[in-house]
Amino acid sequence: QKEVEQDPGPLSVPEGAIVSLNCTYSNSAFQYFMWYRQYSRKGPELLMYTYSSGNKEDGRFTAQVDKSSKYISLFIRDSQPSDSATYLCATLITGTASKLTFGTGTRLQVTL
Amino acid sequence: DTGVSQNPRHKITKRGQNVTFRCDPISEHNRLYWYRQTLGQGPEFLTYFQNEAQLEKSRLLSDRFSAERPKGSFSTLEIQRTEQGDSAMYLCASSLSPSGGRPREQYFGPGTRLTVT
Repeated sequence: QKEVEQDPGPLSVPEGAIVSLNCTYSNSAFQYFMWYRQYSRKGPELLMYTYSSGNKEDGRFTAQVDKSSKYISLFIRDSQPSDSATYLCATLITGTASKLTFGTGTRLQVTL
Repeated sequence: DTGVSQNPRHKITKRGQNVTFRCDPISEHNRLYWYRQTLGQGPEFLTYFQNEAQLEKSRLLSDRFSAERPKGSFSTLEIQRTEQGDSAMYLCASSLSPSGGRPREQYFGPGTRLTVT
């Protein structure tokens, strides 16, 4: 079993829709939770990160973490065609390495 | 500074050949990470450096893989006697050291796509 599970999609939504992307994780020691966006043939770029449980909002993006159920979510409001990309959740344990553990990524397509 | 750069962007090699990739991190970043991403999967951690010291290696990094970061600047990742299973995107990321126990953002390069035929 992978430490971070994510539905690979693909997920296709019309422009303007609300998108919900989700991950589950198994290691209770994970403390930081990130969402990365990866366009085709590019490296991942950090969208948002949260520490422990709670919500964080940044423009059209909202990240939620529920540590009791080990569930991570990203919501995208008023989705745009430019949001079409692969979205990767990631976690890490603070310590000497800060190495990221990623989910498989969900491919999102926002259509006109 | 234009971010993390990686060269080459694409590499096609025959099975059994050696290949070397280069990563140039953001100049003030003292941490450098290597990840591997196969098709339809998320990146997987391979190894990381704090300045010139290689501090951790994943079990994914077999004896055929070696990474260096001389003088704590650019890094190279060499794969000897390549196998078809080595075909993947090799990503480099850099960051500052954690501050007050908080991790710092890792900035990723565009990756080197390796195809072993």
